[in-house]
Amino acid sequence: EDQVTQSPEALRLQEGESSSLNCSYTVSGLRGLFWYRQDPGKGPEFLFTLYSAGEEKEKERLKATLTKKESFLHITAPKPEDSATYLCAVQAYGNNRLAFGKGNQVVVIP
Amino acid sequence: DSGVTQTPKHLITATGQRVTLRCSPRSGDLSVYWYQQSLDQGLQFLIQYYNGEERAKGNILERFSAQQFPDLHSELNLSSLELGDSALYFCASSAGTSTTRHTQYFGPGTRLTVL
Repeated sequence: EDQVTQSPEALRLQEGESSSLNCSYTVSGLRGLFWYRQDPGKGPEFLFTLYSAGEEKEKERLKATLTKKESFLHITAPKPEDSATYLCAVQAYGNNRLAFGKGNQVVVIP
Repeated sequence: DSGVTQTPKHLITATGQRVTLRCSPRSGDLSVYWYQQSLDQGLQFLIQYYNGEERAKGNILERFSAQQFPDLHSELNLSSLELGDSALYFCASSAGTSTTRHTQYFGPGTRLTVL
């Protein structure tokens, strides 16, 4: 069974204090690893898809990287508007469902 | 805005009742997925439809059923509701089939409260 573990569960950052979120996964054959952002009571908002080890993608202050066992979401010089829960999910070959981790709850303090 | 729409936004009902949640996928997307999000379980996959046909099932209860109509909108039916069914229900859509890489885009969700 596909498994995703995210750490830390919760993180408080000062504005401008860079940090990284971890997503460890086990999957039978990785088709893709996905990062989403979710605000309270809202639907997950797509951020990135990573397909193979060594791949990196960037968007504004966020950068996602992928190895064969884990993915990192680096937040550089965060702002209060980056406060959200970040969800990691994996999709296996032959299987369209996403298996989600429980998320990293990030609070950025001004 | 992802382009996926869901109605209603909120639903409050009593135990034992039946409700229907509706989802319209992004224009052109053929696949629809339903997920349940509760505080203790996180986001859990329920079921997938592709172009009107059921493609995959997750941990969906027998009291729950879904369908996808010719216009590609989908409905999730929840019956004999229990307190534990209270959760956020999300619909997602994607363009691809099982053989292509594709991203799932999520709707705003329906918050179900069972009293």
